[in-house]
Amino acid sequence: AAGVIQSPRHLIKEKRETATLKCYPIPRHDTVYWYQQGPGQDPQFLISFYEKMQSDKGSIPDRFSAQQFSDYHSELNMSSLELGDSALYFCASSLAGRGQHGYTFGSGTRLTVV
Amino acid sequence: AQSVTQLDSQVPVFEEAPVELRCNYSSSVSVYLFWYVQYPNQGLQLLLKYLSGSTLVKSINGFEAEFNKSQTSFHLRKPSVHISDTAEYFCAVSGGGADGLTFGKGTHLIIQP
Repeated sequence: AAGVIQSPRHLIKEKRETATLKCYPIPRHDTVYWYQQGPGQDPQFLISFYEKMQSDKGSIPDRFSAQQFSDYHSELNMSSLELGDSALYFCASSLAGRGQHGYTFGSGTRLTVV
Repeated sequence: AQSVTQLDSQVPVFEEAPVELRCNYSSSVSVYLFWYVQYPNQGLQLLLKYLSGSTLVKSINGFEAEFNKSQTSFHLRKPSVHISDTAEYFCAVSGGGADGLTFGKGTHLIIQP
């Protein structure tokens, strides 16, 4: 079965650079969630989208922005990168804007800022 | 808003011994509960979930968890662990809304031979 696809798997950027992370949800899933997991930390909710509209916002820095496109894939744009942005970034998808049927996570993008 | 407390950051246990990973939650609304497992340098994999119905849910690899509404708990158990179960285990709760999942801090299960 198709899963949530994230790209790239690994990304190395320098401070003050920008990065774009992509997430392709499971087919027919219309809701995407972004999480940030720092080293040794639990995943923290950043932002979610339902039917291409921002649905909820968590602890996402102002330097980050995201959007969901017409094909339901989502991109997380990160600017003015800082060392503290180094983390594993997960995307998850679900159906119909709610999680009753569970959330499926991608394998994550490991961002390293040097 | 919801919160999740995983009381143990690390649980060492001998191979083939039973284990319980504790999870308590708080929420002002009805919740859905999940356990995710994360192996080193890998993503989050759904282990099991409680959505409704039977309060005892089981995974295909021998784990089970019981939803206890009065104690607001969703403890994870396995009667006999294997070396391959070494991983980080996250308990998570959702109110079903657009804010997704709220995770606990995780419990590192360490299997000793």
